[in-house]
Amino acid sequence: GQQVKQSSPSLTVQEGGILILNCDYENDMFDYFAWYKKYPDNSPTLLISVRSNVDKREDGRFTVFLNKSGKHFSLHITASQPEDTAVYLCAAGLNQGGSAKLIFGEGTKLTVSS
Amino acid sequence: EAAVTQSPRSKVAVTGGKVTLSCHQTNNHDYMYWYRQDTGHGLRLIHYSYVADSTEKGDIPDGYKASRPSQENFSLILELASLSQTAVYFCASSDAGGNTGQLYFGEGSKLTVL
Repeated sequence: GQQVKQSSPSLTVQEGGILILNCDYENDMFDYFAWYKKYPDNSPTLLISVRSNVDKREDGRFTVFLNKSGKHFSLHITASQPEDTAVYLCAAGLNQGGSAKLIFGEGTKLTVSS
Repeated sequence: EAAVTQSPRSKVAVTGGKVTLSCHQTNNHDYMYWYRQDTGHGLRLIHYSYVADSTEKGDIPDGYKASRPSQENFSLILELASLSQTAVYFCASSDAGGNTGQLYFGEGSKLTVL
C-alpha cells in the first residue's frame, strides 16, 4: 500500500490566497517530514522540512505543521504567487545517521491563477 | 551548489534491450539514490547506496540492478528493458554527515521503452 499519501492530485488558488496541502503517512516510526517542489521538466528541490520533535516550522510564506498522533502533516502557503505553480511532493522517512531514506507521496499539482 | 548530473537525459530503448543510466555527483556525499517518477505515483525508490561498492534495494527493485563503483558514480541497469519501465528516472545524493536529510536531485533521465 501507499505509505505516504497526498489527498489532492490538483489544486487551484487565486493569487494572494492561502492554501493547504495535505499528506498522510502510515509508519509511526517516521521522524523526518519534507515538502519538495517540482517545476515541469525540472528536478525536485527541497522547500521545507521538519523533524518529529517539533510540530511546526515556518519559513517565510511556507509553514509545515506536523500532527504525529494523526500521522498527518501539511504545508500552508500564504500570499500565493504565480511562481508557486508547480507540483508539490510530500515525503517522509527515517533520518538515520543524517541521511533519510525518503518515501514520497503522489504529488499535488498546484495552479495559482492571476 | 550541489551538483548531480545524469546521462543520458533521454533514451529510447527496445523491449528486451539493456539500458544503463549513469549518475555523477560532485558533492562528496555518501548516499546516492535512484527514483522513478510515474504519473500518479510520485517518486518511488528503486535502489540506493551509502558507500562505494555496496548497494541496497529500495521499494521497487525488481527488474533493476545498481552499481556504485566509486563515491561519485551510481548507475542503474536494466538488463532486459520492458514497456512498464518507461518512466522518468531521478538520481539523488545526500550527505550522511548533515542534519537535514535533504536530497539533491539530478535533472532526470526520460526513458521510453518501445
